[in-house]
Amino acid sequence: QKEVEQNSGPLSVPEGAIASLNCTYSDRGSQSFFWYRQYSGKSPELIMFIYSNGDKEDGRFTAQLNKASQYVSLLIRDSQPSDSATYLCAVKDYGGSQGNLIFGKGTKLSVKP
Amino acid sequence: EAGVTQFPSHSVIEKGQTVTLRCDPISGHDNLYWYRRVMGKEIKFLLHFVKESKQDESGMPNNRFLAERTGGTYSTLKVQPAELEDSGVYFCASSQPTGTSYNEQFFGPGTRLTVL
Repeated sequence: QKEVEQNSGPLSVPEGAIASLNCTYSDRGSQSFFWYRQYSGKSPELIMFIYSNGDKEDGRFTAQLNKASQYVSLLIRDSQPSDSATYLCAVKDYGGSQGNLIFGKGTKLSVKP
Repeated sequence: EAGVTQFPSHSVIEKGQTVTLRCDPISGHDNLYWYRRVMGKEIKFLLHFVKESKQDESGMPNNRFLAERTGGTYSTLKVQPAELEDSGVYFCASSQPTGTSYNEQFFGPGTRLTVL
C-alpha cells in the first residue's frame, strides 16, 4: 500500500514567519512530487512541483526533496494570513495509471495576523 | 479559460437511491481523473480516463460505481444503489495529453455527497 504521510496540524505561525510543512512517502520509486493548496470548500490548487533532489524556489515558496530519506517539504516565507489553508502533499503513482496522484491527508496551516 | 466544473455541488440522498455526478474537464484535456475524499481520510484515486477509454479503474470501490466518458468530453460517475459509506467529496481533475507538459492535474470544486 503506497502511502503519503503528513502531520495534520493545525500548524499555527505568526504573520511574516516561515511555515514549514513536511511529508514522507513510502514508495522509493516515486519520481514526481506535488504540493496543492486547498482553501475550505474549494478545489485543490497546484502551487509547487518537484522532481529532482534539492530545493526549488518559486516566489515565497520553496519545495525541498530528499529521495534517499523519502521526504519532501514546503517552506513558505513571509507567511500571510491569506496563506491559511490546507496543504496537500501528493506523489505521482507510476505503478498504476499514467499519473494518478497519491495524497496525504493534508496539513492545516493558520497564519495569525 | 474555464476550469474543471462539477455538478451538482451538493447532493443529499437516501440509502438505496441513485446519484449521478458530472464532470466537465478543461477543453482539450484528454486525461480525466475521479478522486474521492471520505471524511477524515485522504483524497483517494478512483479512476482515470484517457479520452473515452478507461485507463485505470483500480480505485473504484465496488461495482455500485459506474463511470462513463462518452465522446471523450464530459464524464459521469453513477452510484447505484448508494450506501452510507459512499458519503464524501468527489473530485474530478483533468490534465493535458501525456507528453505535452508535466501533466499538471487541475481539480474541480468537488461534489459533496451525503447519503442518509
